[in-house]
Amino acid sequence: DVKVTQSSRYLVKRTGEKVFLECVQDMDHENMFWYRQDPGLGLRLIYFSYDVKMKEKGDIPEGYSVSREKKERFSLILESASTNQTSMYLCASSLKGRETQYFGPGTRLLVL
Amino acid sequence: DAKTTQPPSMDCAEGRAANLPCNHSTISGNEYVYWYRQIHSQGPQYIIHGLKNNETNEMASLIITEDRKSSTLILPHATLRDTAVYYCIVRVRSVGTASKLTFGTGTRLQVTL
Repeated sequence: DVKVTQSSRYLVKRTGEKVFLECVQDMDHENMFWYRQDPGLGLRLIYFSYDVKMKEKGDIPEGYSVSREKKERFSLILESASTNQTSMYLCASSLKGRETQYFGPGTRLLVL
Repeated sequence: DAKTTQPPSMDCAEGRAANLPCNHSTISGNEYVYWYRQIHSQGPQYIIHGLKNNETNEMASLIITEDRKSSTLILPHATLRDTAVYYCIVRVRSVGTASKLTFGTGTRLQVTL
């Protein structure tokens, strides 16, 4: 079974802090994704990566950056957290050329 | 991008079949229909996908109309653990080799005793 893990289920940070969200997948998938989910807005794609050190902006990249130094790990970085970044963050992965994405359990981030 | 329309909520009695409809009237010929579900406080879970033929797996069946403008996800014997939000998604291909999935607001299925 594909397993996607995220470093924290719940996280509380203060405005202005630098925040790292980590995602690890164990199935050698080439593609990895970061989404955020907010009530009434569904899932929105922040960034994705189709290979090590490669990244592409999604629909809402502002205020975020990503890092993919190893194939199995995709990090989402909030350089200076703001209250409007309070959300559920979901990581996903997929095989190259395959559309099915496998999601992690999510990280619920609260920025005070 | 093909958009999808789903009812916001549905109820189903445990043990009965749950039929979840989805309209995607602007779907193009090479776009697949995907279904995911999200149980409360968990990440979305892949269920099934199809292009034009009906599909079945251990979780569900997918019926796609001949004109491909709508589809129905069928959970043949719903249980309480099937209570979740169900998303019907039409694949949108993005740059590179990764494809973006656009999730709408889905159908909240409540399975009751």
